[in-house]
Amino acid sequence: TQLLEQSPQFLSIQEGENLTVYCNSSSVFSSLQWYRQEPGEGPVLLVTVVTGGEVKKLKRLTFQFGDARKDSSLHITAAQPGDTGLYLCAGARGTGKLIFGQGTTLQVKP
Amino acid sequence: DTGVSQDPRHKITKRGQNVTFRCDPISEHNRLYWYRQTLGQGPEFLTYFQNEAQLEKSRLLSDRFSAERPKGSFSTLEIQRTEQGDSAMYLCASTLRGTSGRAEGEQFFGPGTRLTVL
Repeated sequence: TQLLEQSPQFLSIQEGENLTVYCNSSSVFSSLQWYRQEPGEGPVLLVTVVTGGEVKKLKRLTFQFGDARKDSSLHITAAQPGDTGLYLCAGARGTGKLIFGQGTTLQVKP
Repeated sequence: DTGVSQDPRHKITKRGQNVTFRCDPISEHNRLYWYRQTLGQGPEFLTYFQNEAQLEKSRLLSDRFSAERPKGSFSTLEIQRTEQGDSAMYLCASTLRGTSGRAEGEQFFGPGTRLTVL
């Protein structure tokens, strides 16, 4: 059972377009992480959000944590082929273990 | 590079064989986690250690699975009598619990061990 629902699961866009990935849950998390994963590799941490309503920016990526700390979004501006990959959101529970969404596969075509 | 390392990166085995994977966390990280990831899915929690103590195990961790972290540094995950359903990527992650300024859940992952059971 997935406690974190990510949408969309697949996204194929042209270089230069904007996109948003959503991560939703009915549960509250102490923090939420976004990772990016390449085929055959482990997830690489992009950002951690902790406070409800928090917004963090990482170059062309904008991350937001919902006010109730149950949902999050990742917005990419002017996507580039190098952004291609699997994006994972993960919520942290009390023991620190992560509950992952099923991931969003992003393909950016040149 | 002092990131999380895992060995081997790939393992192909026949059904019924035992396999063991190793994870070396980031130096001084006191928490170590194991996750399993199947194709098209996000990673699923298996177990975690704080120092040498195994504090939580998922229902996914059947009796055929055992994990150790004997000296609170590296960890091993053993699967006995492997089944085809065990085929997956096994990921290890570590974090330093208790450091001020570090958010709960901020874990750093290794490259994973891809297991294929024939």
